[in-house]
Amino acid sequence: NAGVTQTPKFQVLKTGQSMTLQCAQDMNHNSMYWYRQDPGMGLRLIYYSASEGTTDKGEVPNGYNVSRLNKREFSLRLESAAPSQTSVYFCASSGRGGNQPQHFGDGTRLSIL
Amino acid sequence: GENVEQHPSTLSVQEGDSAVIKCTYSDSASNYFPWYKQELGKRPQLIIDIRSNVGEKKDQRIAVTLNKTAKHFSLHITETQPEDSAVYFCAATRPDNYGQNFVFGPGTRLSVLP
Repeated sequence: NAGVTQTPKFQVLKTGQSMTLQCAQDMNHNSMYWYRQDPGMGLRLIYYSASEGTTDKGEVPNGYNVSRLNKREFSLRLESAAPSQTSVYFCASSGRGGNQPQHFGDGTRLSIL
Repeated sequence: GENVEQHPSTLSVQEGDSAVIKCTYSDSASNYFPWYKQELGKRPQLIIDIRSNVGEKKDQRIAVTLNKTAKHFSLHITETQPEDSAVYFCAATRPDNYGQNFVFGPGTRLSVLP
């Protein structure tokens, strides 16, 4: 039982390049989330998907797009990477309803030069 | 919307002592309060949670208490060990918060000194 799987684990980009971070969960969860965590800081929500077919902005959505490909997969795209987007990105998922725990993936460490 | 504060931001204790981290929340409709532990370079992991129909929950050396009237909840770690050193995050969410985010506290860095 893998839980939440993120790929890649590490990535270095040049300013202006684009890339997609992948996330998949095998827990049959309805809701999925993308967070960023800057050094020594807490978790900031970028986008979330309450259920398959829906996506909504979180606290810091600028510069990102998302796709809920199916119930299992939720991807995050950086269209034109900027150094300010250097961070660790975590994907999470949870069951239906607001009172369910979120389960996190291992993260993607992204550096933009 | 919900606002979660967490104190202290850093906490150092001697091995074997107890540690207490406190969070306050603003939305009286919030009813689910998880605690996450994040070791250096690792993902946040759920260590304990509590729902508003109970006042206290224990799991071995960790416990969480909830005071709905005062809108605060606390994490208690007894007999601390070096492996308890990590950043701890609290969160709060409402029952109608379908698919929406938890509101996380800013985190407490706990150091257990041998």
